[in-house]
Amino acid sequence: GEDVEQSLFLSVREGDSSVINCTYTDSSSTYLYWYKQEPGAGLQLLTYIFSNMDMKQDQRLTVLLNKKDKHLSLRIADTQTGDSAIYFCAEDRGSTLGRLYFGRGTQLTVWP
Amino acid sequence: DAGVIQSPRHEVTEMGQEVTLRCKPISGHDYLFWYRQTMMRGLELLIYFNNNVPIDDSGMPEDRFSAKMPNASFSTLKIQPSEPRDSAVYFCASRHSTGYNSPLHFGNGTRLTVT
Repeated sequence: GEDVEQSLFLSVREGDSSVINCTYTDSSSTYLYWYKQEPGAGLQLLTYIFSNMDMKQDQRLTVLLNKKDKHLSLRIADTQTGDSAIYFCAEDRGSTLGRLYFGRGTQLTVWP
Repeated sequence: DAGVIQSPRHEVTEMGQEVTLRCKPISGHDYLFWYRQTMMRGLELLIYFNNNVPIDDSGMPEDRFSAKMPNASFSTLKIQPSEPRDSAVYFCASRHSTGYNSPLHFGNGTRLTVT
């Protein structure tokens, strides 16, 4: 189908690692993105990975891509209360005229 | 760059009134998107444009919704007449042409409340 799937909620303790998972649909997707939405704000690009990569690390963020299973994950190390937000994954299917396909978003709550 | 600029930030109106939401994309971006976000339905794509031409409006809920892009630096989303179920946050976003890494850039949204 067309849906990009994410679990809706995740709760972690401050200092622990968070792992947010996403399943996408198109094996020919070129780029996969993670966006972060804080309360009252728009979606901000957090990181991305190109489809020929398996992993990308950016400070506390690690993105893992399993193309065979069409599975994308975002790991946040040493999660802080400021990381509490909604996280969206999105796929660029390349051939489709310009749009990205978004998941429903995962609400991450970080407890002190 | 100032990013994608939306106005107003908040709009409260009565049922039956016309509502116009405005968006200025990032300069040089040739794609513009209108999204709606609600708790029930999440983020929905309403319509998007390429070089000011509507490409896909299949997400527009009904004829009460219309969108225009008269030039590369301005777009409007109009709801006439508005209904309480239109209450949501409406986002505008823009991006460069695809073919290389080109993420969407979002505005801060317009929170619409229809009473």
